[in-house]
Amino acid sequence: AQRVTQPEKLLSVFKGAPVELKCNYSYSGSPELFWYVQYSRQRLQLLLRHISRESIKGFTADLNKGETSFHLKKPFAQEEDSAMYYCALLLSGGYNKLIFGAGTRLAVHP
Amino acid sequence: EAQVTQNPRYLITVTGKKLTVTCSQNMNHEYMSWYRQDPGLGLRQIYYSMNVEVTDKGDVPEGYKVSRKEKRNFPLILESPSPNQTSLYFCASIGDRRTGELFFGEGSRLTVL
Repeated sequence: AQRVTQPEKLLSVFKGAPVELKCNYSYSGSPELFWYVQYSRQRLQLLLRHISRESIKGFTADLNKGETSFHLKKPFAQEEDSAMYYCALLLSGGYNKLIFGAGTRLAVHP
Repeated sequence: EAQVTQNPRYLITVTGKKLTVTCSQNMNHEYMSWYRQDPGLGLRQIYYSMNVEVTDKGDVPEGYKVSRKEKRNFPLILESPSPNQTSLYFCASIGDRRTGELFFGEGSRLTVL
């Protein structure tokens, strides 16, 4: 069955520390993966897509098909990174099938 | 400003009293979708619509109805709300099929007593 797992509900770090938000997926097809972010009092928005291989706000994520993972990383966390992060898997056959993980709340302390 | 607008943002109601959550987008997007967000469960798709008059069930459609009479509007209808429908609801649309990027509304927090 298709599934996205984010094992950590809360990740708490200090400013300047490295951050890794974990995401594992289960899917037999060719995966397309996304990270969405929700800052306090703002709407959910796309952070990055694995296809584009971009670095957004210092975050990167590499698709590892062997480990079926798409972890989100940032070398030096900032307080403004505090937010709720969702990993999402787009199933092939249409963008109507986007499966979200349960989300990880990142708290960056001064 | 390009956006997805939901109303109401907050609502407390009682079991069995029909309610509608409206969703409107001004980006001429064909695809629209409703999600509910519950602690520990992430976002789960309720219904989606590929275009006007084309709707289909998502993963958790029970107790909900939708309609898509116009491209910009995609209301979510709870004919007889129950307490297990207490949740945070998000409407979203996609414009570019290549990117799959969802544009979300701000969310509607519904409490059913």
